[in-house]
Amino acid sequence: EAQVTQNPRYLITVTGKKLTVTCSQNMNHEYMSWYRQDPGLGLRQIYYSMNVEVTDKGDVPEGYKVSRKEKRNFPLILESPSPNQTSLYFCASSPVEGKGQPQHFGDGTRLSIL
Amino acid sequence: KNEVEQSPQNLTAQEGEFITINCSYSVGISALHWLQQHPGGGIVSLFMLSSGKKKHGRLIATINIQEKHSSLHITASHPRDSAVYICAVRFSGSARQLTFGSGTQLTVLP
Repeated sequence: EAQVTQNPRYLITVTGKKLTVTCSQNMNHEYMSWYRQDPGLGLRQIYYSMNVEVTDKGDVPEGYKVSRKEKRNFPLILESPSPNQTSLYFCASSPVEGKGQPQHFGDGTRLSIL
Repeated sequence: KNEVEQSPQNLTAQEGEFITINCSYSVGISALHWLQQHPGGGIVSLFMLSSGKKKHGRLIATINIQEKHSSLHITASHPRDSAVYICAVRFSGSARQLTFGSGTQLTVLP
């Protein structure tokens, strides 16, 4: 089954404790992206990747890192999480974003930073 | 500033009604997406448009490039259509970023 898998689905942690949210897709998509969703602010793009070893900042990259060492994986790293990073996070992928292909979304990760 | 505006913010309809959700944007775009977010939080991509009109089942999406406006229509609405509908655009010249509207909360009553 074609899917985008995020882990964990839920996480409660404390300020400053490094964490990684994994994202994996099995559709051989070139484009992958991370978004956060906050009440009143909607969805905002954090980082995206056009292909292996090619990443770029979205609208709200501060406090986050990403890597794209393999085509299928695009982890989101919070080196020193802070409470303002409490949010609902989505990973998405598509064949080639430049062609305007629809994106496939993961189920989301609800992150709480205390 | 590149902006995306959706209307209405909230919409309540009776089962069977024809529904329209609107999306306007400020400058030229290369693609527009309509997304559906279920009450459980999951997001599904409904349509990607760069021109014209697309139809899938009871859903129809249109875009008018000159007027910088898109609409999502739902015919014969059903309670299972209750969700948040989100418009997202890629502005021309903005690399590969997407900018999202604030969403329309649709509730269809039986």
